[in-house]
Amino acid sequence: AQSVTQLGSHVSVSEGALVLLRCNYSSSVPPYLFWYVQYPNQGLQLLLKYTSAATLVKGINGFEAEFKKSETSFHLTKPSAHMSDAAEYFCAVSPYSSASKIIFGSGTRLSIRP
Amino acid sequence: NAGVTQTPKFQVLKTGQSMTLQCAQDMNHEYMSWYRQDPGMGLRLIHYSVGAGITDQGEVPNGYNVSRSTTEDFPLRLLSAAPSQTSVYFCASRKGAENTGELFFGEGSRLTVL
Repeated sequence: AQSVTQLGSHVSVSEGALVLLRCNYSSSVPPYLFWYVQYPNQGLQLLLKYTSAATLVKGINGFEAEFKKSETSFHLTKPSAHMSDAAEYFCAVSPYSSASKIIFGSGTRLSIRP
Repeated sequence: NAGVTQTPKFQVLKTGQSMTLQCAQDMNHEYMSWYRQDPGMGLRLIHYSVGAGITDQGEVPNGYNVSRSTTEDFPLRLLSAAPSQTSVYFCASRKGAENTGELFFGEGSRLTVL
């Protein structure tokens, strides 16, 4: 069975600083991996996804994530935080062979200090 | 450009009452699903469907029923509401059954059971 763990339920960074949100997964088969973002009072939107092509994946709004099989990680980064990045971020995993089940992590709330 | 539409946005129920959360999508997506979001627990899959007439259970199906009579609609029924079902519910759809596709989410339905 697959699972995903997000380290840190709340991360706070200063505007302009590096953003690093951590995600580790477990899966018995090679996974698909996703990052979604949720702005207040909205549904989730896809930021980026890994589907076995390049291990460094670029997404929207300057975010990127690197798939590291040896560390079973898929951490999300952005070089310079902007106030508009304040939101909740969810990592999600799904195995190649699954019939459509995507499992989400518990989420990390990102706050940006002026 | 409606996307995924959920109704109602807010609902208060008494224990034992029944209700249906409606979900409709206008993108001709084959896959539809329902999640519940609770603090510190991320999103948990309730039920999903890979096409009209086909439904299956997710992680937390107890207390919920679904049906898929058309491609567009995927209602979620609570037959006898319990306080443990107080949550925010999200409907999400995807073009195909393949796990690589982006999930499109509605804006959510906030349910309180007294």
